[in-house]
Amino acid sequence: DTAVSQTPKYLVTQMGNDKSIKCEQNLGHDTMYWYKQDSKKFLKIMFSYNNKELIINETVPNRFSPKSPDKAHLNLHINSLELGDSAVYFCASSQGGDRVHEQYFGPGTRLTVT
Amino acid sequence: GQQVMQIPQYQHVQEGEDFTTYCNSSTTLSNIQWYKQRPGGHPVFLIQLVKSGEVKKQKRLTFQFGEAKKNSSLHITATQTTDVGTYFCAGPTGRRALTFGSGTRLQVQP
Repeated sequence: DTAVSQTPKYLVTQMGNDKSIKCEQNLGHDTMYWYKQDSKKFLKIMFSYNNKELIINETVPNRFSPKSPDKAHLNLHINSLELGDSAVYFCASSQGGDRVHEQYFGPGTRLTVT
Repeated sequence: GQQVMQIPQYQHVQEGEDFTTYCNSSTTLSNIQWYKQRPGGHPVFLIQLVKSGEVKKQKRLTFQFGEAKKNSSLHITATQTTDVGTYFCAGPTGRRALTFGSGTRLQVQP
């Protein structure tokens, strides 16, 4: 049983296109996240959702729009893709509550924009 | 904003040698977490430290949280090729999210 799953695993597309990445967790967690990992391996938080509500929106271009249809899903839609969007995108989830619990990561989606 | 730095950025060791990575935060942390990411894989949670001066061991891995709760270290005794990967520390931002350190990439020569 996969705890946090993402689709697709690889995404190759051209500049200007719009694409979506889907994420699902079956751990019953309240909080889900999107991270971007660049070629130097830096992991940077993009968005955080708690019980379907956005709680963190870091300085991410508004071409990126997260959508959480329910607690178990957090999708990421990207409009007008640019070369600099090429990276690995990780979805993660954790328990809710006052403190930050350990996070469970999905396998990642490697996005290549040509 | 909060910054979490790790050193070294990269370390190459011979199998059997020890390895240590250091993590420093610009602010006091309520806790610190460590993750390991194998090449081509995703970050996997290793451990969380909460108390000042806390030391925890997992087999050959020893984790330490500083007295001032602003620094931490991970020490691996007698490295094996299975230890290869990037090790990240991470601290809470105060908005129920984590700031990840810059990571230390470990390469182990058989």
